[in-house]
Amino acid sequence: NAGVMQNPRHLVRRRGQEARLRCSPMKGHSHVYWYRQLPEEGLKFMVYLQKENIIDESGMPKERFSAEFPKEGPSILRIQQVVRGDSAAYFCASSPGQGRLMRGYTFGSGTRLTVV
Amino acid sequence: GENVEQHPSTLSVQEGDSAVIKCTYSDSASNYFPWYKQELGKGPQLIIDIRSNVGEKKDQRIAVTLNKTAKHFSLHITETQPEDSAVYFCAALSRGGSYIPTFGRGTSLIVHP
Repeated sequence: NAGVMQNPRHLVRRRGQEARLRCSPMKGHSHVYWYRQLPEEGLKFMVYLQKENIIDESGMPKERFSAEFPKEGPSILRIQQVVRGDSAAYFCASSPGQGRLMRGYTFGSGTRLTVV
Repeated sequence: GENVEQHPSTLSVQEGDSAVIKCTYSDSASNYFPWYKQELGKGPQLIIDIRSNVGEKKDQRIAVTLNKTAKHFSLHITETQPEDSAVYFCAALSRGGSYIPTFGRGTSLIVHP
């Protein structure tokens, strides 16, 4: 998973603070996907972005959550006013393009967010 | 939308035994089925995939079968080794949709030496 870089690996926030999770896709990949994984559960899709565009945000909560993928720099998943229920592992994946098989779909190692 | 069910949630085997994990899907338009392995503290990694025009695919000790009529697909691991211990996820993807895969809830495989 060295190709997709996520940071930080672990993030602790107090209730009400903001959490910023970063994802740098693999070189040559222009599509980024964010997933949330709760303990004992699978990966839940949150948002799909291309450079400067949100393609699909159907899995992202309407409030407190936002995502961006600027022309320069990493993709950012931002959670405002965090609550204990936001504690989870957040994974980013990248792919070279839409419609490709998932052989090109690579996950990062995740950011484990703990809200205290 | 697509719904993927995965069973069992936990599977414990002895080293050398075979392990089978089963998934069902609901959307008949799904035509691509990857399997991921997630080791502790790491992100999921693709281990094998199958397209809907193929019934079976094998890669060394790992094989995947697909039954389109019944809408189910399975992962088979033979001669299991302790390093196979991990969480395995199946997924389904529809080319006609938004290219967002739907994942099963995962199977925790434990291989006892």
